[in-house]
Amino acid sequence: SQQGEEDPQALSIQEGENATMNCSYKTSINNLQWYRQNSGRGLVHLILIRSNEREKHSGRLRVTLDTSKKSSSLLITASRAADTASYFCAADAGNMLTFGGGTRLMVKP
Amino acid sequence: GAVVSQHPSRVICKSGTSVKIECRSLDFQATTMFWYRQFPKQSLMLMATSNEGSKATYEQGVEKDKFLINHASLTLSTLTVTSAHPEDSSFYICSAYEGKYGYTFGSGTRLTVV
Repeated sequence: SQQGEEDPQALSIQEGENATMNCSYKTSINNLQWYRQNSGRGLVHLILIRSNEREKHSGRLRVTLDTSKKSSSLLITASRAADTASYFCAADAGNMLTFGGGTRLMVKP
Repeated sequence: GAVVSQHPSRVICKSGTSVKIECRSLDFQATTMFWYRQFPKQSLMLMATSNEGSKATYEQGVEKDKFLINHASLTLSTLTVTSAHPEDSSFYICSAYEGKYGYTFGSGTRLTVV
């Protein structure tokens, strides 16, 4: 399969809680990217972490990368109802992106 | 920043007809363009990769005669779904790659074949 895996597939939390999504990939990478997609819309690039980085922050987002385990996690802190969307990781092997299966996040007000 | 324009955003066509989707990089020249398909509640699946002036490279299981890709210039790639059938109904997304900007995605095309 060309896809990596993400878990959970679906996550429902209350506003204010933190949301954690995990991603595993199969190949060696230059970087790993996280995207957000609202229903029926295009992708919004959230954050990129390079293969030589272990952790990166951007606002309420925190991304970790463990290249030995070929895994990454995305943490969204203090979630808001507007964070409701699907989140995808994408592994960049240098010549193409391979997407994970995605996590559908619902944040209840 | 880099912008990719994808048109149309929605299209409904009759079974058996062909539909063309355009992907245009507006303010940069894309080394490579990618076409993805996304079924409801699923992830993006890469269909093909194209470089300007050369034939597209299709992923396994994607029919090249059904999904025609033309990459005539560094700013324009088109995907034509030929003899469309209801099972081709999906969300199609293009992406353009350039070293400075990385991967930039179009806003997607919702194709419905009736």
